[in-house]
Amino acid sequence: DQQVKQNSPSLSVQEGRISILNCDYTNSMFDYFLWYKKYPAEGPTFLISISSIKDKNEDGRFTVFLNKSAKHLSLHIVPSQPGDSAVYFCAVKRQGAQKLVFGQGTRLTINP
Amino acid sequence: EPEVTQTPSHQVTQMGQEVILRCVPISNHLYFYWYRQILGQKVEFLVSFYNNEISEKSEIFDDQFSVERPDGSNFTLKIRSTKLEDSAMYFCASRGTDTGELFFGEGSRLTVL
Repeated sequence: DQQVKQNSPSLSVQEGRISILNCDYTNSMFDYFLWYKKYPAEGPTFLISISSIKDKNEDGRFTVFLNKSAKHLSLHIVPSQPGDSAVYFCAVKRQGAQKLVFGQGTRLTINP
Repeated sequence: EPEVTQTPSHQVTQMGQEVILRCVPISNHLYFYWYRQILGQKVEFLVSFYNNEISEKSEIFDDQFSVERPDGSNFTLKIRSTKLEDSAMYFCASRGTDTGELFFGEGSRLTVL
């Protein structure tokens, strides 16, 4: 199931700099896009979402960008903090469906 | 802050045994889910449940799996005869509205020996 791809398994960023996490999807019927953060041995925690009628949504240090023509989603974290070190999953939902489909995740490490 | 709670946090079982994983979703939520994550792999959808019936299920969710909402608060996942490959972290999630985000529990780690 390659409907959602996070091509970078890991990313290392200096504290204070911008972290950019990317996600690509294949199905133009997806209409709702989310980012989750996951620490080891915990459940995914919702971070931020965006619907297909928007191209940007901002919440504090987190901004999600949606490029529908490229079927590309990104999460910007600025400034990055050590507590942001975690695995980040993008997730998508198709119109009319109940489930979220998750990407493989990107492990973000923020270096002091 | 309301949260999804799951029990047990860790269960070890022998292959072929039945396992029941329990979840208490957020109280006013209407949509319930089970996902799993095999170590090092992606979070995979198993099943969604709405209005007292399964609304969607994946190919993983075969006849060995079942879900139930036996009362107004619990949501359970039963695996009838566990296999080694069922070893994973199982996450319960709930959602309040059709378009809202899913809230996940802390997970139940299942180890099948």
